[in-house]
Amino acid sequence: AQSVAQPEDQVNVAEGNPLTVKCTYSVSGNPYLFWYVQYPNRGLQFLLKYITGDNLVKGSYGFEAEFNKSQTSFHLKKPSALVSDSALYFCAVRDEVTGGGNKLTFGTGTQLKVEL
Amino acid sequence: KAGVTQTPRYLIKTRGQQVTLSCSPISGHRSVSWYQQTPGQGLQFLFEYFSETQRNKGNFPGRFSGRQFSNSRSEMNVSTLELGDSAFYLCASSLGLKPSSGGSKETQYFGPGTRLLVL
Repeated sequence: AQSVAQPEDQVNVAEGNPLTVKCTYSVSGNPYLFWYVQYPNRGLQFLLKYITGDNLVKGSYGFEAEFNKSQTSFHLKKPSALVSDSALYFCAVRDEVTGGGNKLTFGTGTQLKVEL
Repeated sequence: KAGVTQTPRYLIKTRGQQVTLSCSPISGHRSVSWYQQTPGQGLQFLFEYFSETQRNKGNFPGRFSGRQFSNSRSEMNVSTLELGDSAFYLCASSLGLKPSSGGSKETQYFGPGTRLLVL
């Protein structure tokens, strides 16, 4: 079964500094990986995804993610953090389901706190 | 294009009652997936509907059921509510393509969620 792990429950970073939110994955086939962000009492907002191709994926709001096959990682990054980036971030992997279909398996989430 | 909508946004029920939640996908999307989010278990997949048929199912008891209508709107029903069913319920929509047609690369777009409190 596919799985993702987010080793950090919380990441603190100062505004203007670069941020990294870590994710490692375990898949049996091709990895289809996603990052979502959740603000309090809101649904998940899609940030970016890795399907195939370039290892550096650019997404919404200045976020990017680096896919590393040898380390089975898909870390989320942003060069300069904003206070408004403070939220809960989820890494997810699409499950390989017989006959197709949508099923995402999510990590446990990482709370990002950006301080002035 | 309008996003995914969910109604109601908040709901309070008592144990033993049943509840129905609704999800309207993005126009043109035919797949609707449901997820339960709790502090203890995180985000868990409930089931997916495509073309009015359940295509995938997670590991939840039979009290959790759903359906999809011809306009792709989906409802989720929970019968005989338990305290542990208190959660944030999210639905997500996508085109629903098969893997051979690029379905594995699709993005799921989530609605704003429904907060259910069971007393």
